[in-house]
Amino acid sequence: GEDVEQSLFLSVREGDSSVINCTYTDSSSTYLYWYKQEPGAGLQLLTYIFSNMDMKQDQRLTVLLNKKDKHLSLRIADTQTGDSAIYFCAESPLNTGKLIFGQGTTLQVKP
Amino acid sequence: DSGVTQTPKHLITATGQRVTLRCSPRSGDLSVYWYQQSLDQGLQFLIQYYNGEERAKGNILERFSAQQFPDLHSELNLSSLELGDSALYFCASSVGESGGAEETQYFGPGTRLLVL
Repeated sequence: GEDVEQSLFLSVREGDSSVINCTYTDSSSTYLYWYKQEPGAGLQLLTYIFSNMDMKQDQRLTVLLNKKDKHLSLRIADTQTGDSAIYFCAESPLNTGKLIFGQGTTLQVKP
Repeated sequence: DSGVTQTPKHLITATGQRVTLRCSPRSGDLSVYWYQQSLDQGLQFLIQYYNGEERAKGNILERFSAQQFPDLHSELNLSSLELGDSALYFCASSVGESGGAEETQYFGPGTRLLVL
């Protein structure tokens, strides 16, 4: 089946690291994505990882993938108040164009 | 700015009515996707068009239909509207049709529909 699960809420202090976790079910997904949604705004692609990779780093963002456990995480280093948003994990089952999204994790960054 | 445009930004209408949401994809993108974001269902894939043809269907109600025109813009038609159709409707576009990083989906700002 196709299902993506995320925790709903995370609160951190400014300057700390944030880790947002996600589990997915479709082992055929060759790419996994992280999108960010700020209040009243659309979805912004943050980063993605190919399923044969374990890790991908992009400036303050680190994506870790455990394909065996179908677990994906997004680490944001030195979290800033501007990082406050909802973060969505998404899988893209093989040979389909659609994205299957998790429920989204609301990240609250306290000054 | 993702390059995907959606109109209108907001729409308020009554139950039983019909509305049309419009999307223009990024220049060069051939695929258009429609998603619905609601509080109870989250973000759900509705339908995909590639170069004018329907490619994939998700949880789209029979009261809803879409099409992609020769200039590649797309319209999502919602009819016999119900209170539960109130949601944010996103359009996304990509170069290709079957997913993958080189066919990353870029999202528009969405149309917020309120059915009263």
